[in-house]
Amino acid sequence: GQQLNQSPQSMFIQEGEDVSMNCTSSSIFNTWLWYKQDPGEGPVLLIALYKAGELTSNGRLTAQFGITRKDSFLNISASIPSDVGIYFCAGHQYNNNDMRFGAGTRLTVKP
Amino acid sequence: GAGVSQSPSNKVTEKGKDVELRCDPISGHTALYWYRQSLGQGLEFLIYFQGNSAPDKSGLPSDRFSAERTGGSVSTLTIQRTQQEDSAVYLCASSRAGDNSPLHFGNGTRLTVT
Repeated sequence: GQQLNQSPQSMFIQEGEDVSMNCTSSSIFNTWLWYKQDPGEGPVLLIALYKAGELTSNGRLTAQFGITRKDSFLNISASIPSDVGIYFCAGHQYNNNDMRFGAGTRLTVKP
Repeated sequence: GAGVSQSPSNKVTEKGKDVELRCDPISGHTALYWYRQSLGQGLEFLIYFQGNSAPDKSGLPSDRFSAERTGGSVSTLTIQRTQQEDSAVYLCASSRAGDNSPLHFGNGTRLTVT
């Protein structure tokens, strides 16, 4: 199946800074989702995007579904220590049953 | 409300033994997925169940891996003759319709093969 290329792999930032991460693919996806995983837990859905060009916010989080349908980004504004974790992008294609996941971005926030 | 429940949360087994991992999806969710997550890695798709349709087993890494879903609800993932490379967190997820509905994950079973 098609791979999702997620970057960066890891980020070390100061509390209060803004964060941006993205996912790209060579194929078109009809749904993009962003998840966060805390240690010892399963991923939790942050934002779901269903339409090319869609820009959606959830508190300090903003995500966009790229107009080409081959990419998506997630921004976190004014980071706080509890933002620490691994962020995964995920995409779904019409002709595949499975939800494809990126390799994750590990975020560390220094107080 | 109840989320996706997985058991056991941790399993340590000896190489060569068989293991069974259980997943209770959210009530009413017709789609159920199994993923494997190795240490520090992303999620690797294993198998997908949707309603009464034949499961999509395209992600199972070998014939030592199998999964069942009884009555359209509870699922068990079985790994026979476990190997050390099977050590990982096995995550189960369910979704409402299985098309592009968001997945809801359990907390996973951490499998360690010694």
